[in-house]
Amino acid sequence: GENVEQHPSTLSVQEGDSAVIKCTYSDSASNYFPWYKQELGKRPQLIIDIRSNVGEKKDQRIAVTLNKTAKHFSLHITETQPEDSAVYFCAASDQEGAQKLVFGQGTRLTINP
Amino acid sequence: DVKVTQSSRYLVKRTGEKVFLECVQDMDHENMFWYRQDPGLGLRLIYFSYDVKMKEKGDIPEGYSVSREKKERFSLILESASTNQTSMYLCASLTAGNGYTFGSGTRLTVV
Repeated sequence: GENVEQHPSTLSVQEGDSAVIKCTYSDSASNYFPWYKQELGKRPQLIIDIRSNVGEKKDQRIAVTLNKTAKHFSLHITETQPEDSAVYFCAASDQEGAQKLVFGQGTRLTINP
Repeated sequence: DVKVTQSSRYLVKRTGEKVFLECVQDMDHENMFWYRQDPGLGLRLIYFSYDVKMKEKGDIPEGYSVSREKKERFSLILESASTNQTSMYLCASLTAGNGYTFGSGTRLTVV
């Protein structure tokens, strides 16, 4: 089955700098890659996703890139702000059947003022 | 907006008790999921269901069972709670084309 590895487990950046979180996946059949943000004490929420027919997707300060050949995808946050502090999870799915997601281990991002 | 509601935010149960965690969604979604979240391990899939009375094991089903008698309700059952089942439990509903919507979670402590 699918296995998703996420790095780093913790990341601390200065406010205004960029942050990058990386994930690798094992199943070449996976074709849907969402990212979730979980603030302290709250539920995970979808912030951006990408499908395997595109290599990059942007939404304001957030972007995701996908390299299907290498089986890795990354989350990029530019001009970081204190409210970006949270735990971020990547995930992968083959979008078939029940469309179950396999999640990475999570990255705790801290933005230092 | 899709709403996924978990009936309890915090639960404390004794070892050996039978525990029920309830999850209800209001958008007629077919696919529902139960995950547990532990620090450093991410979210791990326990069970999922793609239709009423249909269920499939996820990656860590041991010690758990589920029930889906109605489309909107997906229940997770701990047959005999153990301390290693102390965790945060998250229910999710699949929103077509838009990933999961999660419930607010149930933090279960087994003593």
